[in-house]
Amino acid sequence: KNEVEQSPQNLTAQEGEFITINCSYSVGISALHWLQQHPGGGIVSLFMLSSGKKKHGRLIATINIQEKHSSLHITASHPRDSAVYICAVGRIQGAQKLVFGQGTRLTINP
Amino acid sequence: DADVTQTPRNRITKTGKRIMLECSQTKGHDRMYWYRQDPGLGLRLIYYSFDVKDINKGEISDGYSVSRQAQAKFSLSLESAIPNQTALYFCATSDGTGLVAFFGQGTRLTVV
Repeated sequence: KNEVEQSPQNLTAQEGEFITINCSYSVGISALHWLQQHPGGGIVSLFMLSSGKKKHGRLIATINIQEKHSSLHITASHPRDSAVYICAVGRIQGAQKLVFGQGTRLTINP
Repeated sequence: DADVTQTPRNRITKTGKRIMLECSQTKGHDRMYWYRQDPGLGLRLIYYSFDVKDINKGEISDGYSVSRQAQAKFSLSLESAIPNQTALYFCATSDGTGLVAFFGQGTRLTVV
């Protein structure tokens, strides 16, 4: 079983819909990242959080440390939000600190 | 200029050929990484380096080698490319905690 699991793997929605992507992990972590990868391939960091909630524009990330779960929400989704969203956790133990989920491919149709 | 620069961005090569992917960074980070991305599998660590004299294998290092020429440069080599090494390769750097990562734009490698 992977240490980081994302759901769903693929998500298609209409413009304007509220989007939720989930991430569950099974290891002790010090931080969790949400990353965005556009069709061109580059990866950018959206959030790093270790507790609670962060908001940036239409994006909201939450984390529940006790339940080992995080969610990424997109409000008023837009076609330009179409991308692969990747959850990565920073492990407390081990030299290989960052462990990645398999990604969620989001497509927003106009 | 990008913080982490990978060259080339795209490459098609033949089975058995040697190929080198290059990465340079301007972040001043000691830690550098090479990852491979395959559809449905997420990013997997090939090699990582915590400084110029410290090179470590990741989870999928077979068939790959690396060279850390300087703090800012970390190269990945495929000594004899095979088709199942067709993938998107990412270089990344991180701060001293290993938790904050900056990624290159990726190199799309196709082995035919």
